[in-house]
Amino acid sequence: QAVVTQEPSLTVSPGGTVTLTCGSSTGSVTSGHYPYWFQQRPGQAPRTLIYETSNKHSWTPARFSGSLLGGKAALTLSGAQPEDEADYYCLVFYSATGVFGGGTKLTVL
Amino acid sequence: EVRLVESGGGLVQPGGSLRLSCAASGFNSNIYWVTWVRQAPGKGLEWVAKINQDGSENYYVDSVKGRFTISRDSAKNSVYLQMNSLRDEDTAVYYCTSGGEAAYWGQGTLVTVSS
Repeated sequence: QAVVTQEPSLTVSPGGTVTLTCGSSTGSVTSGHYPYWFQQRPGQAPRTLIYETSNKHSWTPARFSGSLLGGKAALTLSGAQPEDEADYYCLVFYSATGVFGGGTKLTVL
Repeated sequence: EVRLVESGGGLVQPGGSLRLSCAASGFNSNIYWVTWVRQAPGKGLEWVAKINQDGSENYYVDSVKGRFTISRDSAKNSVYLQMNSLRDEDTAVYYCTSGGEAAYWGQGTLVTVSS
């Protein structure tokens, strides 16, 4: 089974910009892997922020954006807010089966 | 109000079985794929299984193949996860997710496998 890698932890200053990445052990992540991004705050269920690389749900704050960057899926947060402190997970698909990354703990400090 | 509600979790001995349910309300889950995702205590998310709209297609992570079975009942707007031959490493909160592009998540049900 493929392994999906994320930065274990990142720190961003309030109002700052940070990019989280999602790589694959099989090679480049492409749009054909339909990458998703999820936010999970402590004690809460995950919430879907980005689907299929760069599409947002109606509840996704405009400061979040998804893209492909250097062979990886990327989630960029521009103008970080204290409430953005959370765990972030990417999900990519290999044929019909999904694999999550290990998650990135984002600290806003 | 859109809701996904998981139920059926609990404490079970290794080798035992449990059947989880995921009941949808406020939207027609019968037109969407439904996915089960789990999270072991203090760990990350793990994709477990998914089923298509009419139940004719299903997919599993390798670690549960042959032990878990996903199914659905359209009349009840519900999806199930039958878990057999449970192991310690199956201990986790189990979430279901559905709706277009994984829009909706339940709050999860805790499964504890322990003697």
